[in-house]
Amino acid sequence: SQQGEEDPQALSIQEGENATMNCSYKTSINNLQWYRQNSGRGLVHLILIRSNEREKHSGRLRVTLDTSKKSSSLLITASRAADTASYFCATGLIYNQGGKLIFGQGTELSVKP
Amino acid sequence: DTGVSQDPRHKITKRGQNVTFRCDPISEHNRLYWYRQTLGQGPEFLTYFQNEAQLEKSRLLSDRFSAERPKGSFSTLEIQRTEQGDSAMYLCASSLDSVGMSGNTEAFFGQGTRLTVV
Repeated sequence: SQQGEEDPQALSIQEGENATMNCSYKTSINNLQWYRQNSGRGLVHLILIRSNEREKHSGRLRVTLDTSKKSSSLLITASRAADTASYFCATGLIYNQGGKLIFGQGTELSVKP
Repeated sequence: DTGVSQDPRHKITKRGQNVTFRCDPISEHNRLYWYRQTLGQGPEFLTYFQNEAQLEKSRLLSDRFSAERPKGSFSTLEIQRTEQGDSAMYLCASSLDSVGMSGNTEAFFGQGTRLTVV
């Protein structure tokens, strides 16, 4: 079953603009992770934020986590055409819910040169 | 290349045939996961192993599906009597520690096996 809802489902921007994707989830989590997937390929890990963290940065990526609202956002600054991909949030669940990641539906990002 | 590798990358089979996929995780990773992904959807959890023990199976994993990790290294996923609804990308991932629970670890994914049932 899917845990997360991502918003928007698709996003089209111009190169140089910022892209923001949002993720909401349902159950208590240990961490939330963002992955990227190029068309027809495997997923690549981007960033992990723990449940006791509120914000994290990695290069052009900024992730926020609001556990009271059960939501997270991924911001990609100064986007490039090479950022075109699908982006998924995934939740690492707490103790009694198993040691697996549950993925959202994804946001398809298109960055036009 | 020391990443997660999956074989084959593509498989076309006739309905009713059996298929088997292989996953070789990163060598020191004790956890191995199988996911299924259909077009336009996120990966759906199927099952995971800690070493050779299969710790959890999704309800998506019907009786026609079986997964093994006999020596705690590579894993196989077999689908018996394939149906058209089994057409999907099957993704394998591994991690050094738990991705949830007491661990906070990332998962490393293979490129996937794309199954088409005709």
